[in-house]
Amino acid sequence: DADVTQTPRNRITKTGKRIMLECSQTKGHDRMYWYRQDPGLGLRLIYYSFDVKDINKGEISDGYSVSRQAQAKFSLSLESAIPNQTALYFCATSDLDTTDTQYFGPGTRLTVL
Amino acid sequence: KQEVTQIPAALSVPEGENLVLNCSFTDSAIYNLQWFRQDPGKGLTSLLLIQSSQREQTSGRLNASLDKSSGRSTLYIAASQPGDSATYLCAVRRKSNSGYALNFGKGTSLLVTP
Repeated sequence: DADVTQTPRNRITKTGKRIMLECSQTKGHDRMYWYRQDPGLGLRLIYYSFDVKDINKGEISDGYSVSRQAQAKFSLSLESAIPNQTALYFCATSDLDTTDTQYFGPGTRLTVL
Repeated sequence: KQEVTQIPAALSVPEGENLVLNCSFTDSAIYNLQWFRQDPGKGLTSLLLIQSSQREQTSGRLNASLDKSSGRSTLYIAASQPGDSATYLCAVRRKSNSGYALNFGKGTSLLVTP
């Protein structure tokens, strides 16, 4: 079984809809992250969480919110999706015990029409 | 803001060649640098992580070096194989008073032909 899982893997939605992307991990890591990847722009950090009670904005948090429901679960929400949020979204985890190496999920491809 | 640049953007080599991928960054105040591999339609797989106090790391046919003072890292792949075909990304974790900061390059797309 994969250590970091993301659901759904693919999603097509319409402008204005609320969308939630979910991430679960079995690695036991405290740190979790959400990134988006766009062609020509690389990966950019949206939000990160260093433990259940810690939530921090990343480079591009506008239009997104997150919830850390448990050590193993970190969800990303788009309250009102817009077309320029079409991208590949990745969840990642890390732990200081492993020198903060980042471990990525398989990604969610989101299309906003 | 940390700028991370990877050169070349794309590379095609015949099987068996040794090759070098380059990564440069503008701010030398870093915690670590990590190299990843990304296969089409899939997530990123960590290959090597170099702490700021280290000069290089090795794993199998891969060797990554770090020269913090010049803002450069290289990923050396020995005896390339078709299975090495993928996009290779470097990411720099920089020291920041405003929180966690991890900056990615745009990647080098590698094709190893049989």
